[in-house]
Amino acid sequence: DTGVSQNPRHKITKRGQNVTFRCDPISEHNRLYWYRQTLGQGPEFLTYFQNEAQLEKSRLLSDRFSAERPKGSFSTLEIQRTEQGDSAMYLCASSQSRDRSYEQFFGPGTRLTVL
Amino acid sequence: AQSVAQPEDQVNVAEGNPLTVKCTYSVSGNPYLFWYVQYPNRGLQFLLKYITGDNLVKGSYGFEAEFNKSQTSFHLKKPSALVSDSALYFCAVREEPGGSYIPTFGRGTSLIVHP
Repeated sequence: DTGVSQNPRHKITKRGQNVTFRCDPISEHNRLYWYRQTLGQGPEFLTYFQNEAQLEKSRLLSDRFSAERPKGSFSTLEIQRTEQGDSAMYLCASSQSRDRSYEQFFGPGTRLTVL
Repeated sequence: AQSVAQPEDQVNVAEGNPLTVKCTYSVSGNPYLFWYVQYPNRGLQFLLKYITGDNLVKGSYGFEAEFNKSQTSFHLKKPSALVSDSALYFCAVREEPGGSYIPTFGRGTSLIVHP
C-alpha cells in the first residue's frame, strides 16, 4: 500500500500520560500535515512540514503538543500530560509541493481516548 | 482570510435520486476548492478539486461539482445516489495567490441515502 499510514490506529491512555503518534507519508511527498478532528467538526490544522522543516506551528493547540520530522520522511506528533479534552481523531496528510493545488492525501487517522 | 460553509448538517436522499451537498466559500484571491469523503473511523478520501478551467468538475465515484464564482459556491452533485454513498462529506478551500497552502475545511455534511 503506497498511501499515507498512521500508527497506532487507536490509543487509550490515562490523563497525564504522554502519547506519541507516527505518520508515514506517501514516499515522494515532501509536505506533511497534522490535523485534529473532533466529533461533528472538520479537520482542524495543527502544523505542517516541508521536508524536515516545520513551517507552521503556531496553531498547535498548546505547548503540550509538539511534532517532529527529523529526516524529512516520517513524522511524530507528541502530546504531553494528556487531558480529557485531547480525545479526538488525529489525522496526517501529505502532498507534493510541485503540485500547485497542494492536494492532500490523508491517512486513516489515530483515534485518541483519554480516560 | 479564507473560510468555507456547509449549511446543511445532514442531507437525506432516496437511492436512485439525484443528490446535492452544498458548499459556499470566502477568499480574498482565487479559490482552490476540494471535496473529500469520510467513512466511519476512516481518514478523508479525495473526491475532486477545482483549480481553474471548466466550472463543472468530475471526480471519483460518479461525483461532480459546479464552481459558481458569482455565488461563491461549489456544490457537490451526483445524478443517482447509492446507499454506499452514505458518509460524511467535507468541502475545503485554499486561496491563491498568497495563501498559506493550508486548506480550511467545513464542518461536514452527513449524507444518508435511504434504500
